[in-house]
Amino acid sequence: EAQVTQNPRYLITVTGKKLTVTCSQNMNHEYMSWYRQDPGLGLRQIYYSMNVEVTDKGDVPEGYKVSRKEKRNFPLILESPSPNQTSLYFCASSPLPPVETQYFGPGTRLLVL
Amino acid sequence: AQKVTQAQTEISVVEKEDVTLDCVYETRDTTYYLFWYKQPPSGELVFLIRRNSFDEQNEISGRYSWNFQKSTSSFNFTITASQVVDSAVYFCALSSSLNNFNKFYFGSGTKLNVKP
Repeated sequence: EAQVTQNPRYLITVTGKKLTVTCSQNMNHEYMSWYRQDPGLGLRQIYYSMNVEVTDKGDVPEGYKVSRKEKRNFPLILESPSPNQTSLYFCASSPLPPVETQYFGPGTRLLVL
Repeated sequence: AQKVTQAQTEISVVEKEDVTLDCVYETRDTTYYLFWYKQPPSGELVFLIRRNSFDEQNEISGRYSWNFQKSTSSFNFTITASQVVDSAVYFCALSSSLNNFNKFYFGSGTKLNVKP
């Protein structure tokens, strides 16, 4: 089944404790992207990647890191999480844009205390 | 600047009513795509439609229709004869050739409540 998976789905952590949210796709897509969703703000793009070792900033990259060492994986790294990074995070993948749509993962709900 | 505005934060209707969700976008690009996504209470994001900037023809898909007007920079979404299953948050989004279509700008979403 074609899908984008994210792990963990739910995470509670404390300020400053490094964490990684994994994202994996099995569709051989070149393009992958991370978004955060906050009430009243919709989805905002954090980082995106056009291929292995090619990444670029979205609108809200501060406090996040990404890497794309393999085509299928695009982990999101929070090196020192803060409470303002409490959010719902979505990973997405697609062939290189422009395409009809991105395929979104199920989301990761993060709470930073 | 590129921006999508969904001014309606929340709309409540009674089943079988028609409802229109507004989307206004800003871009200085002439080549762009507009999208609508649905996020039901279960949380996943469901693609509904993509429209390119050169195609102003209205689109109809069952009870759903979309009205794209470049003159007013709007891409509105109408649900005819709404049903309880239409209850969700709906997002409008934009990508353009300015960023090689790699960047996506979402509106803040409109929460639609359809009551039986």
